[in-house]
Amino acid sequence: AQSVTQPDIHITVSEGASLELRCNYSYGATPYLFWYVQSPGQGLQLLLKYFSGDTLVQGIKGFEAEFKRSQSSFNLRKPSVHWSDAAEYFCAVGPYNQGGKLIFGQGTELSVKP
Amino acid sequence: GAGVSQSPSNKVTEKGKDVELRCDPISGHTALYWYRQRLGQGLEFLIYFQGNSAPDKSGLPSDRFSAERTGESVSTLTIQRTQQEDSAVYLCASSLRLSGSLNTEAFFGQGTRLTVV
Repeated sequence: AQSVTQPDIHITVSEGASLELRCNYSYGATPYLFWYVQSPGQGLQLLLKYFSGDTLVQGIKGFEAEFKRSQSSFNLRKPSVHWSDAAEYFCAVGPYNQGGKLIFGQGTELSVKP
Repeated sequence: GAGVSQSPSNKVTEKGKDVELRCDPISGHTALYWYRQRLGQGLEFLIYFQGNSAPDKSGLPSDRFSAERTGESVSTLTIQRTQQEDSAVYLCASSLRLSGSLNTEAFFGQGTRLTVV
């Protein structure tokens, strides 16, 4: 079955600390992987995406993610968190080289304490 | 250019009434998606359009839900005889899919918050 698992429902980090949000996926074909961020009352904004090439991808707002095929993981990282990063983060997987639905994880809510 | 536009932004309806939610995709985007997001939950896929055909409508929860799309333009999601469990934010997204090319990123609208009372 196709699925995305984000094991952490809620994470709290101190401003300036590093961050890692976990994402594991189960997908029968070559995956196309995404991280989206949703701020309160806002739509979803794409942070980064991966489909091939270098397994470490850079995104907007200083975020990066590493694809590990052997672990079926696509974890999101940021070296130093800012208070404005507080939001909900969603990992998603979709089909490569064809149209089709994106399957989303349940999301991880990030809180940043001063 | 304009992003994905959804209307209304908020809708309160009485149980048993029908509602129509509208999505205007980004011009030129051939693929269009509807998702539902219940409070505190992830995004639940409803239906996907490629042009005006729907290759995947597997996520529609019941026959009370239907969607249509005119050409490669506006889409409407209709919920008949609304129930309280239909209360959620309904998100629309569109993406530019070129034949033989990659599944490019999906751009999301702000959503329609539906409350069934």
